[in-house]
Formats: sequence, C-alpha cells, structure tokens
Amino acid sequence: DTGVSQDPRHKITKRGQNVTFRCDPISEHNRLYWYRQTLGQGPEFLTYFQNEAQLEKSRLLSDRFSAERPKGSFSTLEIQRTEQGDSAMYLCASSFGGLSGEQYFGPGTRLTVT
Amino acid sequence: KQEVTQIPAALSVPEGENLVLNCSFTDSAIYNLQWFRQDPGKGLTSLLLIQSSQREQTSGRLNASLDKSSGRSTLYIAASQPGDSATYLCAVNNAGGTSYGKLTFGQGTILTVHP
Repeated sequence: DTGVSQDPRHKITKRGQNVTFRCDPISEHNRLYWYRQTLGQGPEFLTYFQNEAQLEKSRLLSDRFSAERPKGSFSTLEIQRTEQGDSAMYLCASSFGGLSGEQYFGPGTRLTVT
Repeated sequence: KQEVTQIPAALSVPEGENLVLNCSFTDSAIYNLQWFRQDPGKGLTSLLLIQSSQREQTSGRLNASLDKSSGRSTLYIAASQPGDSATYLCAVNNAGGTSYGKLTFGQGTILTVHP
C-alpha cells in the first residue's frame, strides 16, 4: 500500500494523559499536513511541514499540541494533558511539489478523551 | 477569511436518481477545488480535483464543475446507487489570504441513497 498511513486508528484515553499519533506520508511527498475534524464538521487545518520544517501552525493548535517531522519523513502529533474537547478525528495528508499540489489523506486517528 | 458552504446539508434520494450537490466559497483566489467522499468513521477519499483554470472534471458517474468567478462548484452524480451513500465534502486550496496553501472545507452534504 503506497497511500498515507496513520497509527493508531483509534485511541481512547483519560483526561490529563498524553497521546502521540503517527503519520507516514506517501513516499517522496515533501509536504505533510495535519487537520482535525469534529463530529458533523469539515476538517480544519492544524499545521503543515515542508520537508522537516514546520512552516505554519493554526491558532487551533494550543501549547499542549506539538508536531514534528524528523528527517522529512514520517510525522508525529503529540497532545499533552488531553482534554475532552480534544476528542476528534485527526487527519494527515501529504502532497508533492508546491502549495497547489493535490493533498492525499490518510484514514485518520479517532481520539476519544474520557 | 475563506468560507465554504455546502447545500443541502443532507439529501435522501431513491436509487437511480441523478443528483446535484452544491458548494460555494467566498474568496475566488484558489489554486484548485477538491471533492471528497467520507464514509462514517473513515478518512477522506478524493473524488475529483479541478484546477482553477478548468471548468469541469469527470470520473465515471461523477462530474464536477467550477465557476471560480462566482465562487461556485457543483458535483453531479448520475444514476445514484446505495453504495454512493456517504458524506461529500468540498474543499478549496487557497491561493491567498490567511489560509494560503491550506484546504478550507465545507461542512459536507450527507447523502443517503435508498433502494
């Protein structure tokens, strides 16, 4: 399978715990994006990388959120001290080339904070 | 700030009907527009991508049109089938403003095709 993969697919955690998600983009895609989707809404942009550089973060990304993309390959998204409001689907996408490139999405990680 | 609106929010049709989903956006400075399908609890599957210079794209029973100047796109589904039941999302890739280079999504249209 050469598509975007995400792990885990589902995560249930208790409020206050830390969680980390992983995204593996399509090989050779230089851009990687994270989006968050809450129930009944369209996805919203969180952050994106060009190679290993994190170029932009949304105001939705509080200080409890951190993302990395070491060596410009896979990416991780960590949420510290989770809150019930963090419950959502976290989607990763990758693209090749410039900002106009088509974005290909992974299956998402569904986070439930109890 | 780019805003994307999809109408209707939900649609229920009998199998075999042709149908149209609508998407409108407020800022015409876009690179392209994508239509996605999302099954419950799943990720996004790209259906069609229309570049800003194009007027329409076709794939099988799907046809998407784009009128960038008026900020509108439509997704036409011919001869609908129960397997088409899903949420359909429209997203624009912004070429300017605070959302430069990112996708802005609509809230989606929930489609149900009943046998």
